[in-house]
Amino acid sequence: GAVVSQHPSWVICKSGTSVKIECRSLDFQATTMFWYRQFPKQSLMLMATSNEGSKATYEQGVEKDKFLINHASLTLSTLTVTSAHPEDSSFYICSARDPVAADTQYFGPGTRLTVL
Amino acid sequence: SQQGEEDPQALSIQEGENATMNCSYKTSINNLQWYRQNSGRGLVHLILIRSNEREKHSGRLRVTLDTSKKSSSLLITASRAADTASYFCATDEGAQKLVFGQGTRLTINP
Repeated sequence: GAVVSQHPSWVICKSGTSVKIECRSLDFQATTMFWYRQFPKQSLMLMATSNEGSKATYEQGVEKDKFLINHASLTLSTLTVTSAHPEDSSFYICSARDPVAADTQYFGPGTRLTVL
Repeated sequence: SQQGEEDPQALSIQEGENATMNCSYKTSINNLQWYRQNSGRGLVHLILIRSNEREKHSGRLRVTLDTSKKSSSLLITASRAADTASYFCATDEGAQKLVFGQGTRLTINP
């Protein structure tokens, strides 16, 4: 099946710094990617929909100026957590829709962010 | 926002037994999907059932969908220790995005 990768798999940063997470579709082109956040022992919460060549669509309650999303190519979307704080510590997961099997989303392995 | 409510939140059974997890949702859907997540890892897609389907099988997995009750169930037969994971249902409402349930933490005891 299709593969989605994320980089880095984990990151530890100091409070106030910015962190960029990459999401790549490795063997298909994804016009739409999704970013989720998952707190320990909780479910995935959709943060935003990343559209290639246009602005991301953010879910209610997600600050677009804090979580910057860029979908510059059909295989890459990035999520930048700006001025990170400890409460931003979480597991961030991206997914991409396979245009051939449009109902199927393939998920990346996730990025564990810890803000000290 | 979370649409799916999953039941039970946690389930612990003996290896070889069957495990049943339930999911309820609130709005109309195009399809419902089940995913597995091992601790600290990404999600693995298990099975998709469309709104016009009632039952679907894949190996040891059996999924049912009752759109009149807005509910779905996932049955894992002859469970194995490797099935220990969290299981999530997710509904596709047609806006190209998935809304996940709270999940069921399944533990298979050897």
